[in-house]
Amino acid sequence: QVQLVQSGAEVKKPGASVKVSCKASGYSLVDYYLHWVRQAPGQGLEWMGRINPDSGDTKNAQKFQGRVAMTRDTSINTAYMELNRLRSDDTAVYYCARGGKNFVKGDYWGQGTLVAVS
Amino acid sequence: DIQMTQSPSSVSASVGDRVTLTCRASQGIGSWLVWFQQKPGKAPKLLIYAASDLQTGVPSRFSGSGTGTDFTLTISSLQPEDFATYYCQQANSFPPTFGGGTKVEVK
Repeated sequence: QVQLVQSGAEVKKPGASVKVSCKASGYSLVDYYLHWVRQAPGQGLEWMGRINPDSGDTKNAQKFQGRVAMTRDTSINTAYMELNRLRSDDTAVYYCARGGKNFVKGDYWGQGTLVAVS
Repeated sequence: DIQMTQSPSSVSASVGDRVTLTCRASQGIGSWLVWFQQKPGKAPKLLIYAASDLQTGVPSRFSGSGTGTDFTLTISSLQPEDFATYYCQQANSFPPTFGGGTKVEVK
């Protein structure tokens, strides 16, 4: 069955970087866009960006331009999201999710990775 | 960016009630509207895509309707497992954007 399994929780200091992984199983990563969505404590959902795992092309929300990098390793069916220059307001649960180009159908999600910046 | 506004922000209901949630887009998005359900500590779950298409495995008591700027999610007979927060999301224009959510609470 399709699963997205993310790496574990992280605690980081302001100014540091964090890299979250998302391993796909039950399907080939290159067959679907992979999106990253975050949720601050008690808040709503915020779309961060996406990667086309086949080509490696990425597109990010303006808010994260220059601060986020999305990559993938197709040999191990895994995608990564790295966020740099962390601030306290980056504290959130970060999700990866499979979906179409503009997130038309986010049908499978990872379990979430808590990143705490303090 | 397209702004998505959900109303109400919370609703109190009882098991068996018919519940209707509303989502409004700041500009027309055709039928490119998605609904998610989220329970505390869990990832969102896809309920409906393309405004009215039910995701496989989602109970038929959930239905979606609307086009353009105004959309609704209806739960025909609320079940205990349906108490959760519901989010709409537009997939018409870059970037995808979410509404602020509607929490369905126990009355």
